[in-house]
Order: sequence, then C-alpha cells, then structure tokens
Amino acid sequence: NAGVTQTPKFQVLKTGQSMTLQCAQDMNHNSMYWYRQDPGMGLRLIYYSASEGTTDKGEVPNGYNVSRLNKREFSLRLESAAPSQTSVYFCASSPYGRDLEQYFGPGTRLTVT
Amino acid sequence: AQSVAQPEDQVNVAEGNPLTVKCTYSVSGNPYLFWYVQYPNRGLQFLLKYITGDNLVKGSYGFEAEFNKSQTSFHLKKPSALVSDSALYFCAEYNDMRFGAGTRLTVKP
Repeated sequence: NAGVTQTPKFQVLKTGQSMTLQCAQDMNHNSMYWYRQDPGMGLRLIYYSASEGTTDKGEVPNGYNVSRLNKREFSLRLESAAPSQTSVYFCASSPYGRDLEQYFGPGTRLTVT
Repeated sequence: AQSVAQPEDQVNVAEGNPLTVKCTYSVSGNPYLFWYVQYPNRGLQFLLKYITGDNLVKGSYGFEAEFNKSQTSFHLKKPSALVSDSALYFCAEYNDMRFGAGTRLTVKP
C-alpha cells in the first residue's frame, strides 16, 4: 500500500496564478484533511471531508477550495495564489471518527512569489 | 483561542537521559489527545493517543504520555532518549482539530 500520496512535491507559483494540489489514499478511509504547516504555527486545518460527498471548513479556509472527487481523492485548489499561501501542505486521511489517528502524506512545498 | 499549547519550542537532552515534551490543552468536554512525530522532509507519524481509560498511555518507539485532567496536560515521555528520537513533535486535540506549534527535540550523544 502506498498510503497517502500527494502531487506535486514542490511548486513555485507567481502571485495570481492558480493550481490544484492532489491527494489520494488507498486505505479505504472515509475522512480526509488538508493542512498547512508554517514555522512556529504547527499544522492548521484548511478543509476536511468527514465522508465522501461532504466537505467542511477548518481553521484557515480563506483562499482555498476543495473537491472530494471520490472516496480515494481529495484535492485542494488555490484560485489566485498569494505570497501568504507560501507553506508546506499536508493531506491526511483516517477512518471516520475523532478517536482515530490520521495518516499523513509526504507534503507539498509551495512557494508563491 | 488556541486549544493546544506546547510551551517549549526546543528541548535538548543527552542520550540515555529521560525526556519530556510538554503539552497543555483547553477544550470543553472530554479531550481527544494525540502525539505525532515528524522527521525532516516527511509527513507526521502517529505515536500515541488518549481517548479514555488509563491516564498513562504507551505508544510507538518506547514513548508514553500521561493524561492529567486537573492540569489539562498530556506530556510525552520516554525513560531513555536515543539520538534517533531527534525530530519535531506535535500534540493535537481532535474536538477542535487543533495542533500545537511543535517542539523540536534534540538528543545529543
């Protein structure tokens, strides 16, 4: 099993450009999450999908949109990138339920110039 | 308001000594508490969790954590540190889906 995979690994964007970060999991998990990691701030939840067909905002959703394409895939879209969105983005998945640990992908390092 | 706090940015210990990485939380109701570890250029890996039951929980790689309801703490511990334990450690609380800012643990030979 590959676990949680993310593409791309690295990306450089100019301000105003758009892009989609892809995430897929092969563990048959119901829930999927997008986080951003910034120095000194830990991980902050952007959006999550508790189950296929549902998405909800997290702590920092502004400037992002998500799509739960199917049970395996959960994408994050930046419509008009800003330098403040320079960060490392992590996707995670888990079985449904708040008592269950999450499995994280390797991350995407995004720089917006 | 932040619901998870890790008061130390950095913890340094000598190999073979015990280590503690601190975490406090604030949440209404019963907490769902987790510890994760992050090695360089990797995603987070689960170490252990407290949901209910015994206040002392044991996890991967010899780590354990003690839940203290009166002090609203969930400190990560290990009796004898290894150089390979050097990494970034995150505490998380899942009612609010919040992570702490992280503590960088350095174990010196």
